[in-house]
Amino acid sequence: SAVISQKPSRDICQRGTSLTIQCQVDSQVTMMFWYRQQPGQSLTLIATANQGSEATYESGFVIDKFPISRPNLTFSTLTVSNMSPEDSSIYLCSGRRSTNTEAFFGQGTRLTVV
Amino acid sequence: AQSVSQHNHHVILSEAASLELGCNYSYGGTVNLFWYVQYPGQHLQLLLKYFSGDPLVKGIKGFEAEFIKSKFSFNLRKPSVQWSDTAEYFCAVMYSSGSARQLTFGSGTQLTVLP
Repeated sequence: SAVISQKPSRDICQRGTSLTIQCQVDSQVTMMFWYRQQPGQSLTLIATANQGSEATYESGFVIDKFPISRPNLTFSTLTVSNMSPEDSSIYLCSGRRSTNTEAFFGQGTRLTVV
Repeated sequence: AQSVSQHNHHVILSEAASLELGCNYSYGGTVNLFWYVQYPGQHLQLLLKYFSGDPLVKGIKGFEAEFIKSKFSFNLRKPSVQWSDTAEYFCAVMYSSGSARQLTFGSGTQLTVLP
């Protein structure tokens, strides 16, 4: 599988500010995804990052809060906007080469909003 | 809605004990099944996967899982655990419906192996 480098690995942010998380894959992948993992809970899909077009968001997540970019097949960003303490979580990016292959994950970003 | 259930939130075993972690998924037609592991401080890694064929699949580090279609289950097993198996284990299902075939994850099971 490919390797995803995700940064920052952790950050502590003030409420009302925004944080952009970056993911770089070491090879081209068809699909990239962004997940949130809240304390003690499972991974929840935020959105599918589509190359060259707007991301596809899951129910409960909106573009104004979580804008996503995917300028090419190896890179994507997720911005957590106007943060509140409820946004404190681990954010993970994921890639898949095709619909019939397994997903691989970045190291995650542990975000704390104070 | 599609869902994945992992029955055990925290399992504590002694070294050399046998392990079985349960995973059940809601019916949704054709599925692909995965177990991922997250060691402390590390990223999620694929342990094993099932796409088709033999329902008993073998993964890394001596783990195996059996797909029982009639029970909608994909339980993870290891005959003899080691201290280094201490980690969080996630079952995940990829349903055939939907264009991107997103993964749906279970809530995870924290395994602690005592030396």
